[in-house]
Amino acid sequence: AQSVAQPEDQVNVAEGNPLTVKCTYSVSGNPYLFWYVQYPNRGLQFLLKYITGDNLVKGSYGFEAEFNKSQTSFHLKKPSALVSDSALYFCAVNTNAGKSTFGDGTTLTVKP
Amino acid sequence: EAGVAQSPRYKIIEKRQSVAFWCNPISGHATLYWYQQILGQGPKLLIQFQNNGVVDDSQLPKDRFSAERLKGVDSTLKIQPAKLEDSAVYLCASSLAGYSNQPQHFGDGTRLSIL
Repeated sequence: AQSVAQPEDQVNVAEGNPLTVKCTYSVSGNPYLFWYVQYPNRGLQFLLKYITGDNLVKGSYGFEAEFNKSQTSFHLKKPSALVSDSALYFCAVNTNAGKSTFGDGTTLTVKP
Repeated sequence: EAGVAQSPRYKIIEKRQSVAFWCNPISGHATLYWYQQILGQGPKLLIQFQNNGVVDDSQLPKDRFSAERLKGVDSTLKIQPAKLEDSAVYLCASSLAGYSNQPQHFGDGTRLSIL
């Protein structure tokens, strides 16, 4: 069975500092990996995805993520955090069969 | 393009009552999902449709939950009778059919409170 783990419930960073939100996964076969962001009382919004190719993928709002096959990780990163980045972030994995599994989310708080 | 539309945004009912949620996916998206999101958790898939056929309903509590997608476009999710544990946000999402490498597009959800 596939699974996604987000080991940190909460990540706090100061504005302007780099941020990392961690994600590890377990799946049979090649994974399709996604990051989504959720603001209060809103649905999830797609940020970026890894399908194949370059291990560093770039997405919306200056976010990027690094795929590491040996560590089965897909950490979300941003070089300089903004207060407006404060939100709930979800990592998700899709299989070839189209089944999606989401992590339990990490709350990012960026302080001025 | 218009996003995924859901209604109502909020619903409060008493336990043992019934409730229905509606979803209109993005035009051209053949795959539609219903998720349950309990506070502090990630979305849990309830049912996945491809056009008007069910692809996965393994986690749908079929004794009380039902869903349909007539004509392969709009979908409704129903709970009857509701239990206290059903208090959650119900999210609808859609994606291009048959492509696991495509992201899902989510509506803003229906927040259900059971008294």
